[in-house]
Amino acid sequence: AQSVTQPDIHITVSEGASLELRCNYSYGATPYLFWYVQSPGQGLQLLLKYFSGDTLVQGIKGFEAEFKRSQSTINLRKPTVHWSDAAEYFCAVGGGSQGNLIFGKGTKLSVKP
Amino acid sequence: EAQVTQNPRYLITVTGKKLTVTCSQNMNHEYMSWYRQDPGLGLRQIYYSMNVEVTDKGDVPEGYKVSRKEKRNFPLILESPSPNQTSLYFCASSRLAGEQYFGPGTRLTVT
Repeated sequence: AQSVTQPDIHITVSEGASLELRCNYSYGATPYLFWYVQSPGQGLQLLLKYFSGDTLVQGIKGFEAEFKRSQSTINLRKPTVHWSDAAEYFCAVGGGSQGNLIFGKGTKLSVKP
Repeated sequence: EAQVTQNPRYLITVTGKKLTVTCSQNMNHEYMSWYRQDPGLGLRQIYYSMNVEVTDKGDVPEGYKVSRKEKRNFPLILESPSPNQTSLYFCASSRLAGEQYFGPGTRLTVT
Protein backbone atom coordinates (compact mmCIF):
# COMPACT_ATOMS: atom_id res chain seq x y z
CA ALA A 1 0.00 0.00 0.00
CA GLN A 2 1.14 3.51 -0.73
CA SER A 3 1.70 5.65 2.32
CA VAL A 4 3.69 8.48 3.81
CA THR A 5 4.70 8.62 7.46
CA GLN A 6 5.98 11.64 9.29
CA PRO A 7 6.92 10.19 12.67
CA ASP A 8 7.13 13.50 14.52
CA ILE A 9 3.86 15.30 15.13
CA HIS A 10 5.46 18.31 16.81
CA ILE A 11 9.06 19.45 17.07
CA THR A 12 10.46 22.43 18.96
CA VAL A 13 13.88 23.83 18.14
CA SER A 14 15.77 26.90 19.26
CA GLU A 15 16.33 29.70 16.83
CA GLY A 16 19.73 29.25 15.22
CA ALA A 17 19.77 25.49 15.73
CA SER A 18 19.71 22.95 12.94
CA LEU A 19 16.59 21.09 11.90
CA GLU A 20 15.77 17.69 10.46
CA LEU A 21 12.21 16.57 9.75
CA ARG A 22 11.70 12.92 8.96
CA CYS A 23 9.62 11.36 6.21
CA ASN A 24 9.24 7.68 5.34
CA TYR A 25 7.29 6.53 2.34
CA SER A 26 5.99 3.35 0.82
CA TYR A 27 5.41 3.43 -2.90
CA GLY A 28 5.33 0.69 -5.49
CA ALA A 29 6.91 2.57 -8.36
CA THR A 30 9.60 5.20 -8.74
CA PRO A 31 8.36 7.98 -6.50
CA TYR A 32 8.18 11.69 -7.00
CA LEU A 33 8.73 13.28 -3.60
CA PHE A 34 7.75 16.69 -2.31
CA TRP A 35 7.99 18.80 0.80
CA TYR A 36 5.43 21.54 1.39
CA VAL A 37 5.19 24.16 4.11
CA GLN A 38 2.02 25.68 5.51
CA SER A 39 2.28 28.82 7.60
CA PRO A 40 -0.58 29.57 9.99
CA GLY A 41 -3.70 30.57 8.08
CA GLN A 42 -2.02 30.05 4.72
CA GLY A 43 -2.10 27.59 1.87
CA LEU A 44 0.63 25.11 1.04
CA GLN A 45 3.85 26.24 -0.57
CA LEU A 46 6.26 23.90 -2.31
CA LEU A 47 9.67 23.81 -0.61
CA LEU A 48 11.36 21.28 -2.84
CA LYS A 49 10.80 18.30 -5.07
CA TYR A 50 12.71 15.19 -6.01
CA PHE A 51 12.06 13.44 -9.29
CA SER A 52 15.39 11.79 -10.09
CA GLY A 53 19.13 12.41 -10.19
CA ASP A 54 21.20 13.83 -7.38
CA THR A 55 19.91 12.59 -4.05
CA LEU A 56 20.59 15.90 -2.30
CA VAL A 57 17.94 18.38 -3.33
CA GLN A 58 18.04 22.11 -2.71
CA GLY A 59 14.83 23.98 -2.06
CA ILE A 60 13.68 27.45 -1.24
CA LYS A 61 14.19 29.32 2.04
CA GLY A 62 17.47 27.50 2.73
CA PHE A 63 15.93 24.03 2.98
CA GLU A 64 17.40 20.88 1.51
CA ALA A 65 16.46 17.22 1.54
CA GLU A 66 18.35 13.98 1.12
CA PHE A 67 16.65 11.11 -0.67
CA LYS A 68 17.71 7.64 0.49
CA ARG A 69 16.14 5.01 -1.72
CA SER A 70 17.39 2.06 0.36
CA GLN A 71 15.70 3.46 3.46
CA SER A 72 12.64 4.93 1.67
CA THR A 73 13.20 8.27 3.30
CA ILE A 74 13.44 11.87 2.26
CA ASN A 75 14.28 13.94 5.32
CA LEU A 76 14.08 17.71 5.24
CA ARG A 77 16.96 19.71 6.71
CA LYS A 78 17.93 23.28 7.44
CA PRO A 79 21.29 24.27 8.97
CA THR A 80 20.03 27.32 10.85
CA VAL A 81 16.41 27.78 11.84
CA HIS A 82 14.79 31.22 11.92
CA TRP A 83 11.70 32.18 13.91
CA SER A 84 9.84 32.62 10.63
CA ASP A 85 10.26 28.90 9.90
CA ALA A 86 7.61 28.08 12.49
CA ALA A 87 4.94 26.32 10.43
CA GLU A 88 3.60 22.91 9.56
CA TYR A 89 5.56 20.79 7.12
CA PHE A 90 4.10 18.11 4.88
CA CYS A 91 5.85 15.38 2.97
CA ALA A 92 4.09 13.97 -0.09
CA VAL A 93 4.72 11.19 -2.60
CA GLY A 94 3.33 10.64 -6.07
CA GLY A 95 4.36 9.24 -9.34
CA GLY A 96 3.70 8.46 -12.95
CA SER A 97 1.07 10.20 -14.98
CA GLN A 98 -1.76 10.08 -12.50
CA GLY A 99 -0.86 13.24 -10.70
CA ASN A 100 -2.14 11.98 -7.35
CA LEU A 101 -0.23 12.90 -4.24
CA ILE A 102 -0.32 11.07 -0.94
CA PHE A 103 0.40 13.34 2.00
CA GLY A 104 1.82 12.64 5.41
CA LYS A 105 -0.06 14.02 8.40
CA GLY A 106 2.43 16.79 8.89
CA THR A 107 5.00 17.91 11.44
CA LYS A 108 4.39 21.12 13.30
CA LEU A 109 7.57 23.09 13.93
CA SER A 110 7.80 25.54 16.81
CA VAL A 111 10.83 27.82 17.17
CA LYS A 112 11.80 29.15 20.57
CA PRO A 113 13.92 32.29 20.98
CA GLU B 1 0.69 35.70 -12.14
CA ALA B 2 0.33 31.92 -12.03
CA GLN B 3 -2.18 31.02 -9.39
CA VAL B 4 -5.03 28.91 -8.12
CA THR B 5 -7.98 30.86 -6.80
CA GLN B 6 -10.79 29.69 -4.58
CA ASN B 7 -14.02 31.36 -3.60
CA PRO B 8 -15.31 31.98 -1.08
CA ARG B 9 -12.43 32.01 1.39
CA TYR B 10 -14.75 31.72 4.37
CA LEU B 11 -18.26 30.32 4.49
CA ILE B 12 -20.69 29.64 7.32
CA THR B 13 -23.81 27.76 6.34
CA VAL B 14 -26.54 25.57 7.78
CA THR B 15 -27.12 21.87 7.43
CA GLY B 16 -28.72 20.89 4.14
CA LYS B 17 -28.22 24.14 2.25
CA LYS B 18 -26.49 23.37 -1.04
CA LEU B 19 -23.25 25.21 -1.67
CA THR B 20 -20.51 25.42 -4.26
CA VAL B 21 -16.87 26.31 -3.75
CA THR B 22 -15.24 27.47 -6.94
CA CYS B 23 -11.67 26.77 -8.01
CA SER B 24 -9.89 28.21 -10.98
CA GLN B 25 -6.31 27.97 -12.28
CA ASN B 26 -4.58 29.99 -14.99
CA MET B 27 -1.64 27.65 -15.69
CA ASN B 28 -3.36 25.39 -18.24
CA HIS B 29 -2.84 22.42 -15.94
CA GLU B 30 -4.45 19.12 -16.80
CA TYR B 31 -4.72 17.86 -13.25
CA MET B 32 -6.88 19.38 -10.53
CA SER B 33 -7.79 18.11 -7.11
CA TRP B 34 -9.73 18.90 -3.96
CA TYR B 35 -8.48 18.18 -0.45
CA ARG B 36 -9.85 18.68 2.99
CA GLN B 37 -7.59 19.36 5.94
CA ASP B 38 -8.56 18.44 9.48
CA PRO B 39 -6.43 18.63 12.65
CA GLY B 40 -4.38 15.50 13.13
CA LEU B 41 -5.49 13.99 9.82
CA GLY B 42 -3.40 15.98 7.37
CA LEU B 43 -4.71 16.47 3.85
CA ARG B 44 -7.14 13.97 2.46
CA GLN B 45 -8.10 13.92 -1.17
CA ILE B 46 -11.78 14.29 -1.98
CA TYR B 47 -11.90 14.17 -5.80
CA TYR B 48 -9.49 14.72 -8.62
CA SER B 49 -9.61 15.31 -12.34
CA MET B 50 -7.00 14.42 -14.92
CA ASN B 51 -8.60 16.45 -17.67
CA VAL B 52 -11.87 17.94 -18.91
CA GLU B 53 -14.82 15.62 -18.26
CA VAL B 54 -12.55 13.15 -16.42
CA THR B 55 -13.07 12.99 -12.67
CA ASP B 56 -12.48 10.31 -10.07
CA LYS B 57 -12.95 9.73 -6.36
CA GLY B 58 -10.21 10.31 -3.87
CA ASP B 59 -10.07 8.97 -0.34
CA VAL B 60 -13.07 10.80 1.15
CA PRO B 61 -15.62 11.51 -1.62
CA GLU B 62 -18.83 10.90 0.34
CA GLY B 63 -21.08 13.95 0.43
CA TYR B 64 -19.25 15.80 -2.34
CA LYS B 65 -19.61 16.25 -6.08
CA VAL B 66 -17.33 17.83 -8.66
CA SER B 67 -17.44 18.71 -12.33
CA ARG B 68 -14.81 19.59 -14.90
CA LYS B 69 -16.48 21.22 -17.88
CA GLU B 70 -13.58 23.55 -18.60
CA LYS B 71 -9.89 22.97 -18.11
CA ARG B 72 -9.41 25.93 -15.80
CA ASN B 73 -12.35 25.34 -13.42
CA PHE B 74 -13.06 22.58 -10.93
CA PRO B 75 -15.92 23.44 -8.57
CA LEU B 76 -16.66 21.46 -5.42
CA ILE B 77 -20.35 20.94 -4.68
CA LEU B 78 -21.91 20.00 -1.38
CA GLU B 79 -25.50 19.07 -2.17
CA SER B 80 -26.60 18.71 1.46
CA PRO B 81 -23.83 19.83 3.81
CA SER B 82 -23.56 18.32 7.27
CA PRO B 83 -21.58 19.42 10.33
CA ASN B 84 -18.94 16.73 9.72
CA GLN B 85 -18.02 18.56 6.53
CA THR B 86 -16.81 21.52 8.57
CA SER B 87 -13.20 21.73 7.46
CA LEU B 88 -10.53 23.64 5.59
CA TYR B 89 -10.67 22.90 1.88
CA PHE B 90 -7.87 23.26 -0.66
CA CYS B 91 -7.94 23.11 -4.40
CA ALA B 92 -4.74 22.24 -6.26
CA SER B 93 -3.59 21.93 -9.85
CA SER B 94 -0.58 20.55 -11.66
CA ARG B 95 0.73 19.21 -14.90
CA LEU B 96 0.47 15.45 -14.87
CA ALA B 97 3.33 14.10 -12.74
CA GLY B 98 4.33 17.58 -11.63
CA GLU B 99 4.25 19.42 -8.36
CA GLN B 100 0.87 20.65 -7.22
CA TYR B 101 0.04 24.32 -6.77
CA PHE B 102 -2.43 25.05 -4.02
CA GLY B 103 -5.12 27.64 -3.64
CA PRO B 104 -5.38 29.74 -0.48
CA GLY B 105 -8.04 27.54 1.12
CA THR B 106 -11.72 27.82 1.99
CA ARG B 107 -12.75 27.54 5.59
CA LEU B 108 -16.22 26.03 5.76
CA THR B 109 -18.38 25.84 8.86
CA VAL B 110 -21.64 23.90 8.75
CA THR B 111 -23.97 24.44 11.72
